[in-house]
This record gives sequence, structure tokens and C-alpha cells, in this order.
Amino acid sequence: EVQLVESGGDLVQPGRSLRLSCVASGFNFNDYAMHWVRQVPGKGLEWVSGLTWNSGAIGYADSVKGRFTISRDNAKNSLYLQMNSLRPEDTAFYYCAKDPFSYCSTTTCLTSGAFDIWGQGTKVVVSS
Amino acid sequence: SSELTQDPAVSVALGQTVRITCQGDGLRNYHASWYQQKPGQAPVTVIYRKDNRPSGIPDRFSGSSSGDTASLTITGAQAEDEADYYCGSRDTSANHVVFGGGTKLTVL
Repeated sequence: EVQLVESGGDLVQPGRSLRLSCVASGFNFNDYAMHWVRQVPGKGLEWVSGLTWNSGAIGYADSVKGRFTISRDNAKNSLYLQMNSLRPEDTAFYYCAKDPFSYCSTTTCLTSGAFDIWGQGTKVVVSS
Repeated sequence: SSELTQDPAVSVALGQTVRITCQGDGLRNYHASWYQQKPGQAPVTVIYRKDNRPSGIPDRFSGSSSGDTASLTITGAQAEDEADYYCGSRDTSANHVVFGGGTKLTVL
């Protein structure tokens, strides 16, 4: 069964850091671009970041650029999101999502807006 | 940045056909994908890159596009199709992904 399981969400004070993890199973993680998408409760979806299968291309939303860092460890089938300088507006559910096409290696491919598998999400609350 | 516009709410009678649309200039050049989200649950992909359906998604879900508008069609809507539906595509101006605001589908 193809599965993505996120973890690391927590209540954190503004200005602090948090690291999210996503463990993949049931497919060749090495071959696919991966993404983080967030959703403020009751609101719409917002793409946060994505990186290609070999980390050769990485993209960030303007709202997180310079504060968040996406990375992956293909040996551990894991995707990460390091979130620094957190703000109250970063409060959201964070979902890990898989790109549907293997060996996506360009920014154009990476930002197609296509995902085929989603995790169940992890909640981040930024509040004092 | 490019925007994707969706109707906030659409309704359909049980068993009838409904089309949910997504409009944006970028859709003239890039495909849309469609995501279903039920209350308290993670999104589920029903269509990706215009007309590809993931395994396990019923064939009553289909995608199409014309000009600057992408459409998700549900042929023979079921009660379990009641959900929020989001379109997503490429933000042509900023190398980002952009989502529509979502459409709440009610099955009557």
C-alpha cells in the first residue's frame, strides 16, 4: 500500500523552529518529486515547497522562502521540512504529497500542481 | 501571480451529472489537477494533469479543459461525492504551484 506518514507537528512559540518529517512506503521514493502543502483550518490549500527526485530543483512559496528548507533522505524514504522563524500565520495542517510522474527533474515539472498521493497531515500551531 | 477561480458552491441531484470549473490564464498552457477533501480528512487526488485518474478513483470522475477553463465532471454523482474540490496548476508567473479557492459540492 502506498502511504505517506507525517510527524513533527506541535505547538511552538513565534520565532522558534520546528522540523516536520514524512516517511514514505509502498513505492520507489527515490524516483519521485515530493512536496509540502499546507491548509489553515477552514481555508484552502497552499503549496509550501517541493523538490525533485534528486534534489536538483527546489521551489518555495514566497510566504516561506528564506525561512523554510525542504530536504529528503532517499536512503530513509523520508522527506523533511525545516521551519525557522515561525509566525502565527504559519499555523496550519501540513501535508506531504507525492508527484505522480517519476524522474521529474525541472522546476517546470516540479511546479505542475499535480500530486497523486497525500499523507494524513500534521498540525502546526504557532502561538505564544 | 496567476490565480485560479472556482465557484464557491455547486449542487447536484443524486445520480445526475455535475461540472465543477476552474478558470485561469495559466490553464491555456498548463494542465489542472483536482483534489477532493471531505471534512476532517486529508485531500484525495481524483484527477491529475487534466485527465489522469489515480487507481481506486471511480470512473465517474473525469477531467477536461478548454481555453482558460479546466473542468471536473462527475457523471452520476453519489452521496459520498459531497466534499470540497480544489483545482491546482502551475503559477506561470512565479514558478510556484497555485490552487483555486475550492468548490463545495452538495449532493441533494
